Amino acid sequence: DAKTTQPPSMDCAEGRAANLPCNHSTISGNEYVYWYRQIHSQGPQYIIHGLKNNETNEMASLIITEDRKSSTLILPHATLRDTAVYYCIVRVRDSGTYKYIFGTGTRLKVLA
Amino acid sequence: NAGVTQTPKFRILKIGQSMTLQCAQDMNHNYMYWYRQDPGMGLKLIYYSVGAGITDKGEVPNGYNVSRSTTEDFPLRLELAAPSQTSVYFCASSLPPTRSNEQFFGPGTRLTVL
Repeated sequence: DAKTTQPPSMDCAEGRAANLPCNHSTISGNEYVYWYRQIHSQGPQYIIHGLKNNETNEMASLIITEDRKSSTLILPHATLRDTAVYYCIVRVRDSGTYKYIFGTGTRLKVLA
Repeated sequence: NAGVTQTPKFRILKIGQSMTLQCAQDMNHNYMYWYRQDPGMGLKLIYYSVGAGITDKGEVPNGYNVSRSTTEDFPLRLELAAPSQTSVYFCASSLPPTRSNEQFFGPGTRLTVL
């Protein structure tokens, strides 16, 4: 069962910030939130992850609400090359290892 | 480094045929994974391996088999192909999750079963 809910699609103007929301209301206390993106049906590419603190790297920022029931991925200055499907993923512990539970993702289109 | 490589890129099978999807990685990762992605959907875990000689089932293992005789290779075997196995198959690898959190994905194999 998917543990994340995302809007199916979003548009963003080039150069503007893209804010992609994700709901993960059933997340457990030790489960991480990951974001990956998939461009043109290539293999998914890692973006960022977090547990409860906000995180930032060279690609994006991740804002997690205090109750951890939702998060937002922020691409600060979207470019045309950021057009992709973005997956919000919960990493769960199962049978001694960790597994990604993918949802259906958000198709982001960056408009010129 | 080539990263994660997969062969073939495309394949068409007839119902009942079998085939092996190849996956190799050159990053010395212990963990390897096989996913399938149906149209418009996210990825679902088929099998995974935490090291040579060790494999385990994921969410959707029925109709597939795997083996892991070396650290580098993790082939996925389809026996008696069915139309429901038409999908894109991705292989991934990672360090142990307690050390690193990123999975590296291959380019995928598009399989059609007719």
